[in-house]
Amino acid sequence: DVKVTQSSRYLVKRTGEKVFLECVQDMDHENMFWYRQDPGLGLRLIYFSYDVKMKEKGDIPEGYSVSREKKERFSLILESASTNQTSMYLCASSGSGTGRVRDGYTFGSGTRLTVV
Amino acid sequence: AQSVTQLGSHVSVSEGALVLLRCNYSSSVPPYLFWYVQYPNQGLQLLLKYTTGATLVKGINGFEAEFKKSETSFHLTKPSAHMSDAAEYFCAVSDRSTLTFGKGTMLLVSP
Repeated sequence: DVKVTQSSRYLVKRTGEKVFLECVQDMDHENMFWYRQDPGLGLRLIYFSYDVKMKEKGDIPEGYSVSREKKERFSLILESASTNQTSMYLCASSGSGTGRVRDGYTFGSGTRLTVV
Repeated sequence: AQSVTQLGSHVSVSEGALVLLRCNYSSSVPPYLFWYVQYPNQGLQLLLKYTTGATLVKGINGFEAEFKKSETSFHLTKPSAHMSDAAEYFCAVSDRSTLTFGKGTMLLVSP
């Protein structure tokens, strides 16, 4: 089975901390994505990556950065966590390259981050 | 720009009743369309997709959806709801290299 693994299911961090969310996929997919999910707002794209060391801003990149040093791993970084970044974070991957998403995404189980 | 509208943030049905979850999209090119399901504290799981060909597509767990170009719709249906269908459902569109999701519809199933 295709798998996307997020390293933590639940995280509690303090305001101002630097936070790393890790995601690993075992499908040799080119594309990886980070979304945040909030009640009533659905899923919003933060960043995505087509290839190693490549990144593209999504719809809400402010306050976040990403790192992709290896094809299978895509990290989301909160440089200085704030309470408005309390959310569910979902990682996904797809094999569509720079073309349209034909087969959908495979999602991880999510990381629920609380910033206090 | 692509966008998705899901009508109704919550839909309630009785067990055994028809399920109908509505999705309308906007796309600059013929779209690829998807429905995902999310159970509590889990990631999203693909239910079904439409890319080309037959406009009525069948998915897992007895769900199906019909692509209607003239109505820009891709509504999700199931003839008979089960308690296990209670979850949040997301419609998504791709006319570029990412998916754009609707805000989700929570399906509530009562005995």
